[in-house]
Amino acid sequence: AQKVTQAQTEISVVEKEDVTLDCVYETRDTTYYLFWYKQPPSGELVFLIRRNSFDEQNEISGRYSWNFQKSTSSFNFTITASQVVDSAVYFCALNAGTYKYIFGTGTRLKVLA
Amino acid sequence: EAQVTQNPRYLITVTGKKLTVTCSQNMNHEYMSWYRQDPGLGLRQIYYSMNVEVTDKGDVPEGYKVSRKEKRNFPLILESPSPNQTSLYFCASSLSVSGPNEQYFGPGTRLTVT
Repeated sequence: AQKVTQAQTEISVVEKEDVTLDCVYETRDTTYYLFWYKQPPSGELVFLIRRNSFDEQNEISGRYSWNFQKSTSSFNFTITASQVVDSAVYFCALNAGTYKYIFGTGTRLKVLA
Repeated sequence: EAQVTQNPRYLITVTGKKLTVTCSQNMNHEYMSWYRQDPGLGLRQIYYSMNVEVTDKGDVPEGYKVSRKEKRNFPLILESPSPNQTSLYFCASSLSVSGPNEQYFGPGTRLTVT
């Protein structure tokens, strides 16, 4: 069975703090893809990153970074120096074996000014 | 402008009255999909389509139908809606070369079934 777990339902931080959103996945497939999406209060869903199972390099994009560890089946997302505009619900998603997607339940991040 | 459009954006209906939510994309994407979003449950995939005339079930297909007669359109049909189908629905599309890719989402359709 395939599964994505985002155990943190809601996180609150003060602006400029660093915050890490956890994502743990389960799959028996050796080829799979992991994604992060952002859903700001306006409601649209915005793609952040895609990573395939053969690429374990960590990625940094501005204040955002992602840590992919196959050994722990985790694909965590860190925001450095958080800003109020980072307030959103963040979803981790898995696609393995087929073109069926499994999303986590999301983590609501509140960045307080 | 590259986009995924959904109509209607808001819909209130009664139990049993058939309805269709349309979805259209102008990016020539092969892959299209429908999701529902419910509090505490995240996004759950209803159906997806790899290309014209090719569709398959996601995790929660019961009570829904889809069709893919044209590449750009992927309507979601509720033949006999029930209150448990009250939800926020998103359509999405993506290229499918080199594996699953970034999905582009529509703005969402908020459906209430009374």
